[in-house]
Amino acid sequence: DAKTTQPPSMDCAEGRAANLPCNHSTISGNEYVYWYRQIHSQGPQYIIHGLKNNETNEMASLIITEDRKSSTLILPHATLRDTAVYYCIVRANAGGTSYGKLTFGQGTILTVHP
Amino acid sequence: EAGVTQFPSHSVIEKGQTVTLRCDPISGHDNLYWYRRVMGKEIKFLLHFVKESKQDESGMPNNRFLAERTGGTYSTLKVQPAELEDSGVYFCASSQWGGVNGYTFGSGTRLTVV
Repeated sequence: DAKTTQPPSMDCAEGRAANLPCNHSTISGNEYVYWYRQIHSQGPQYIIHGLKNNETNEMASLIITEDRKSSTLILPHATLRDTAVYYCIVRANAGGTSYGKLTFGQGTILTVHP
Repeated sequence: EAGVTQFPSHSVIEKGQTVTLRCDPISGHDNLYWYRRVMGKEIKFLLHFVKESKQDESGMPNNRFLAERTGGTYSTLKVQPAELEDSGVYFCASSQWGGVNGYTFGSGTRLTVV
């Protein structure tokens, strides 16, 4: 089962920031937070990941709370092409045989409107 | 660089037949993963190869599914015999270093069993 909780859907106006929350209250010390998205019927696309520090790349920013029990993905200037299902996933990056596995939940359907 | 390539993109087969899906990972990516989404359900992990070895096959649903990665390059996923409940989209992904910096997914193969 997924170890994360996300709202099922969100709306955002084009050009505004989209802030997608995720709860992961049972995250372990060695688990990272990953965000992927799936646009229509394409394969999932990696966005960003982090352990405990805030992260930023060309696509988005990731804000992780100090206790690491929740995080927020920020798309600073959402466009219509950002309409997708966004998945928040926690994953250990080492140890055991299943370190490579991603456990997808239902995700958040983000709709960006004009 | 070329992305992860999957073919066929679509396949329609009759119940009881055999289908083989193929995945070509990004060149140099030792890690290859198979996932699937069946109708109305979440994306589920099937298995993980490191080079030609199966690192984790905990998600394989039953012995009708056989995955191979001879020579550590491309991979095949064979379903024999196919059942109606096998219908869905099968995604392949590849990564370096176990996916620490994210996976790259292919566009998927849509399998319909009638």
